[in-house]
Amino acid sequence: DTAVSQTPKYLVTQMGNDKSIKCEQNLGHDTMYWYKQDSKKFLKIMFSYNNKELIINETVPNRFSPKSPDKAHLNLHINSLELGDSAVYFCASSQGTREQPQHFGDGTRLSIL
Amino acid sequence: AQSVTQLGSHVSVSEGALVLLRCNYSSSVPPYLFWYVQYPNQGLQLLLKYTSAATLVKGINGFEAEFKKSETSFHLTKPSAHMSDAAEYFCAVTSGGSNYKLTFGKGTLLTVNP
Repeated sequence: DTAVSQTPKYLVTQMGNDKSIKCEQNLGHDTMYWYKQDSKKFLKIMFSYNNKELIINETVPNRFSPKSPDKAHLNLHINSLELGDSAVYFCASSQGTREQPQHFGDGTRLSIL
Repeated sequence: AQSVTQLGSHVSVSEGALVLLRCNYSSSVPPYLFWYVQYPNQGLQLLLKYTSAATLVKGINGFEAEFKKSETSFHLTKPSAHMSDAAEYFCAVTSGGSNYKLTFGKGTLLTVNP
């Protein structure tokens, strides 16, 4: 019973393509996140949704578009992929307030050829 | 604004030795602090959290951390390292505002030598 699941686990594609990553959580949480982990392991938040409303939108190229169809799902669509988009993307979820820990998925490793 | 600094990108200890991973934070309001562990090719797993209750926090796998406001620190310790503790460790902070932004340190890679 995976708490936060992401698909696909690996994604290899060419520059210029459009791709999506899906995330689902079965913890009943109301807040979901996308993080990017670069090649140096640095983790940075990209987006956050609370009850399907966007609450955090960091400085991310507008080629990245999150979408939350319901509280349990948060997808990430990326247009016109670039070499610099190669990274591991992590989905996470939490129950509301800032003192609650975030639970992470296993990540999607995106490689741009 | 909030930030976290992890001193030492790589810490190496012998099996059975004390583990000490350092984390200092900066926050304009009382922080909430977390330690996460990441094993190779896996996601992040919560080790422990500080949310303004007891300053000495115990977590999983024998780890603990102490919140010291005067030193703005939240160092992670374990009395005796096991080979299975080898992983990347991240300190993180949330503070202030109405959002739930988690700001991470750059991570510390712990290696355990036999």
